[in-house]
Amino acid sequence: DIVLTQSPVLAVSLGQRATISCRASQSVSISSINLMHWYQQKPGQQPKLLIYRASNLASGIPARFSGSGSGTDFTLTIDPVQADDIAAYYCQQSRESPNTFGAGTKLELK
Amino acid sequence: EVQLVESGGGLVQPGRSMKLSCAASGFTFSNYGMAWVRQAPTKGLEWVATISYDGSSTYYRDSVKGRFTISRDNAKSTLYLQMNSLRSEDTATYYCTRDFGDGGYDYWGQGVMVTVSS
Repeated sequence: DIVLTQSPVLAVSLGQRATISCRASQSVSISSINLMHWYQQKPGQQPKLLIYRASNLASGIPARFSGSGSGTDFTLTIDPVQADDIAAYYCQQSRESPNTFGAGTKLELK
Repeated sequence: EVQLVESGGGLVQPGRSMKLSCAASGFTFSNYGMAWVRQAPTKGLEWVATISYDGSSTYYRDSVKGRFTISRDNAKSTLYLQMNSLRSEDTATYYCTRDFGDGGYDYWGQGVMVTVSS
């Protein structure tokens, strides 16, 4: 299985930039298509798709969210961070079955 | 508005069975692959099973193969997960999700809790 590694916690100040990383144990890209997706999950709620195929903003998601990366290294950026962004963030790959998720990064206020 | 509403969860003894349902609305159900994703208490997300738009293909994670069956009724816009021989490690919130085509999930239900315990 492809293992996705995320840092458990990231502490940021409101109004600053948050950079959340996800590293895959092998490439999740096919040609120029990066099969990495990002989700936000707030306590007691279901996950919400933020970014698909590494850099595409999902419908209704604010432009302060962006994604980048290819191959094995991917980044979710939130700039600027707002209070409503305090949540857990998960990366997920669909390059190879089984689809796997990272363990999640909890975004906390500094 | 896309809606996915799960039902059928609860407390079940180890070794017993349970069937989850997911009623879909707000989109053409028969055009999309669907999947179940679960989350154990205080843990991360784990893909469980996927079914193609027409039900002809199904995929499972190794730990549930032979015990769980994903199915769908496109006439009723409903997704199912039949879970047999349940184990304590199956305890989780189960989410019904829509596969947007690249193996990612663009809509999620609110989730249904399944607790396997004696």
